[in-house]
Formats: sequence, C-alpha cells, structure tokens
Amino acid sequence: KAGVTQTPRYLIKTRGQQVTLSCSPISGHRSVSWYQQTPGQGLQFLFEYFSETQRNKGNFPGRFSGRQFSNSRSEMNVSTLELGDSALYLCASSFLAGFSGANVLTFGAGSRLTVL
Amino acid sequence: AQKITQTQPGMFVQEKEAVTLDCTYDTSDQSYGLFWYKQPSSGEMIFLIYQGSYDEQNATEGRYSLNFQKARKSANLVISASQLGDSAMYFCAMRELTGNQFYFGTGTSLTVIP
Repeated sequence: KAGVTQTPRYLIKTRGQQVTLSCSPISGHRSVSWYQQTPGQGLQFLFEYFSETQRNKGNFPGRFSGRQFSNSRSEMNVSTLELGDSALYLCASSFLAGFSGANVLTFGAGSRLTVL
Repeated sequence: AQKITQTQPGMFVQEKEAVTLDCTYDTSDQSYGLFWYKQPSSGEMIFLIYQGSYDEQNATEGRYSLNFQKARKSANLVISASQLGDSAMYFCAMRELTGNQFYFGTGTSLTVIP
C-alpha cells in the first residue's frame, strides 16, 4: 500500500511569507502528527490530529497551525516565516492515536523548507 | 531533563561486524514504549524495532535487537552483521502512556566501513 505522501518535497520562501505543507497518510490511518527537524534541535513535535481533532500540540508559536480533513489528509501552515523556520518538516501517520504498542509512526519523506 | 539521551553523535563500524547504539530514557510512567528509527540521507524515517515497558523479552527484528535494561532505563539498539546500507542516522524514541507525543533523541550517525 502507498506510504505517507508529503508535498511539496522542497520549497524556498522568503521571510514574512507563509507556507502550507500537505500530508496524505497511509490509507486507513486516522492519526497524523507533524515534526520539525533541524540540525540544532533535532526532531521537535509540532502537533497531532486524530479524526479531524487536534489532540496535542508542541511548544511552537501560534504561527504554526494545522488541520486535518475528513479523509485524514492533513495540512500544516506557517505564517510570517522566519529564517529559523528553515527545516525538514516530517509528517507521520498511525492507525491509532495515543499510547499503544501497535501505534508505530510511519513517516513521510518530509518537506524541506528553506527560508531566505 | 531530556526524555531521550543518545550520547554517541557518530559511530563507525566495519562491514559484517556488530554495533551497539546507546539510548537512555527518562520517565516516571510505568507504561511506555521505546522505538528505534533509521533515517537515511533521503530523509524518510524508517521504523526498525519496538519494545514495550512490560515486555520481558528483548525485542528482535531480523538483524536488529533491542537490549532493554529497565532498571538502568536503557534501550540500546544492536545491529548484527553490519551492511553498507546501514549507514544512516539512528533515532531512539519513547512514548509514554500518559503522553500524546513521541520524544526523540538527537540521533547517532552510523557509518559502515567496507
């Protein structure tokens, strides 16, 4: 079956612009979570959605937002981009939400954002 | 305090040799899960192995095994018979029963030498 698909794979923006990233989870997966990966900070949790509801949010400013649609596809948006937002944004899906031994995250290849 | 600590930024191993990647974790939960992921240069995180806090046996998946020492709060990944394709970043992660997110370590870069 198809894996987690993230689009676009690469994008370049300038400071002050906004960006929207898309994530299509594995068919049947209802949980989608987003992570920011940078060389200095590693993988940092942004938020998790399950059945169109945000279940948890990491410690990021309000410029970072997300949503999930009824087909489980998810988007994240970053407004008023800053240089420090340059990162690899990873989306992951899972069948379940919350704690479960079976709740393995399956990641997409990521969207690499460069802010100039 | 860091939830997941990986103290080896970089490791080298000879092809066909075994290598151990260290991971320690911090939690007060009794129920938690420990995961290892591999990230090649392409960027995609690949799930390798899972260990539940109540599992009495160490998890194994092919050439991967997890050396789980609960009292020491360590969950080291052992890769046997290293292959050139094992060269990648390796991340240890944890999810607690009471939490809704995964915590990742800073990763270990493994290079397999021919």
